[in-house]
Amino acid sequence: EAGVTQFPSHSVIEKGQTVTLRCDPISGHDNLYWYRRVMGKEIKFLLHFVKESKQDESGMPNNRFLAERTGGTYSTLKVQPAELEDSGVYFCASSHPPGLAGAYEQYFGPGTRLTVT
Amino acid sequence: AQKITQTQPGMFVQEKEAVTLDCTYDTSDQSYGLFWYKQPSSGEMIFLIYQGSYDEQNATEGRYSLNFQKARKSANLVISASQLGDSAMYFCAMRAGNGNQFYFGTGTSLTVIP
Repeated sequence: EAGVTQFPSHSVIEKGQTVTLRCDPISGHDNLYWYRRVMGKEIKFLLHFVKESKQDESGMPNNRFLAERTGGTYSTLKVQPAELEDSGVYFCASSHPPGLAGAYEQYFGPGTRLTVT
Repeated sequence: AQKITQTQPGMFVQEKEAVTLDCTYDTSDQSYGLFWYKQPSSGEMIFLIYQGSYDEQNATEGRYSLNFQKARKSANLVISASQLGDSAMYFCAMRAGNGNQFYFGTGTSLTVIP
């Protein structure tokens, strides 16, 4: 079974530019999550999709961030325009549908390291 | 409020020795889950072990065990017989609240010394 994949692994952009991060969850996982870790701090929740619907987007920092999951498969997270404080590692995770064994366990991707200069 | 605290930024352990990584949590929920993840230098987050709040037995997975003390709200990870490959960042996480989001601590960097 392929794991959660994220693209790109690294991205360096200038302030004001746009960046789009992509996440491919494990096949069959309805739940998809985005998290962010700013240097030296804890990993923080951004939002949660169930299939193509946003279940919880309470962690999204502001309207410069836009997440989509068309068709309930892969997801994108766009930052436009990027600011210096957006730098960090963006993790994507996915989990089984509720009711299945291991439904609460989230499988994480390797993350995308975003640097805004 | 939901919160995870890891007070050890860095830890060292001799190869083949056991090590305990501390984690305390704060939640007013009755039902919650506690997780430990390992993040090696390659970056991926590897799930290690899970403890449910209603589980009476401490979780174990191979060399990993979770010392769950509910009254003290602690969920320490114990790694027995440390190996060089255990050198990594370790994150404690909690699933609580209305959603399925995880709350993470700041992590502990473990270095295993040969």
